[in-house]
Amino acid sequence: NAGVMQNPRHLVRRRGQEARLRCSPMKGHSHVYWYRQLPEEGLKFMVYLQKENIIDESGMPKERFSAEFPKEGPSILRIQQVVRGDSAAYFCASSPPQEETQYFGPGTRLLVL
Amino acid sequence: GESVGLHLPTLSVQEGDNSIINCAYSNSASDYFIWYKQESGKGPQFIIDIRSNMDKRQGQRVTVLLNKTVKHLSLQIAATQPGDSAVYFCAENFSGNTPLVFGKGTRLSVIA
Repeated sequence: NAGVMQNPRHLVRRRGQEARLRCSPMKGHSHVYWYRQLPEEGLKFMVYLQKENIIDESGMPKERFSAEFPKEGPSILRIQQVVRGDSAAYFCASSPPQEETQYFGPGTRLLVL
Repeated sequence: GESVGLHLPTLSVQEGDNSIINCAYSNSASDYFIWYKQESGKGPQFIIDIRSNMDKRQGQRVTVLLNKTVKHLSLQIAATQPGDSAVYFCAENFSGNTPLVFGKGTRLSVIA
């Protein structure tokens, strides 16, 4: 059973470009969470999704950030018009229904030049 | 010994000694707690969890203790090995499939 997969592992963008981060949850997991981590800090919750539904987006900036988890395919975190402050590691976690344990992917490290 | 660096507190231990990493959690209503290990350049890795109706749980070489009275969680690692060097985070959860709230993290450095 493959773990949570994220790609790309590293992403470099210039200010103003779009960043698109992908997450494939573990098999059988229908819940996906996105977290952001700055260097030397803990992970901060951004958004929680189930298939085709956003359950909680209270941690996600209202502008430029969006997330989806379509019926088919990976979950996508999209950052439009990136700024230098968006540089961080973005982690995806997944969990099965009715289970609290979240399993994390390897992360995508975004660098905005 | 334990020291506070620029960002993360660091705990340095001799190989073979026991390590104790502490965490204060924020929400007295949290009922599920997890310890994660994060190595450099990797994602958090699940170590052990505990529910609020327990005060101790043991795994392989690791023990988690929960003190709900003072909202304190600790992770004990027996016979610490160089491979245990990493940043350790506690995380709390309030009931079911909800987002985790992470603590600040402690860097464990094992001296061979």
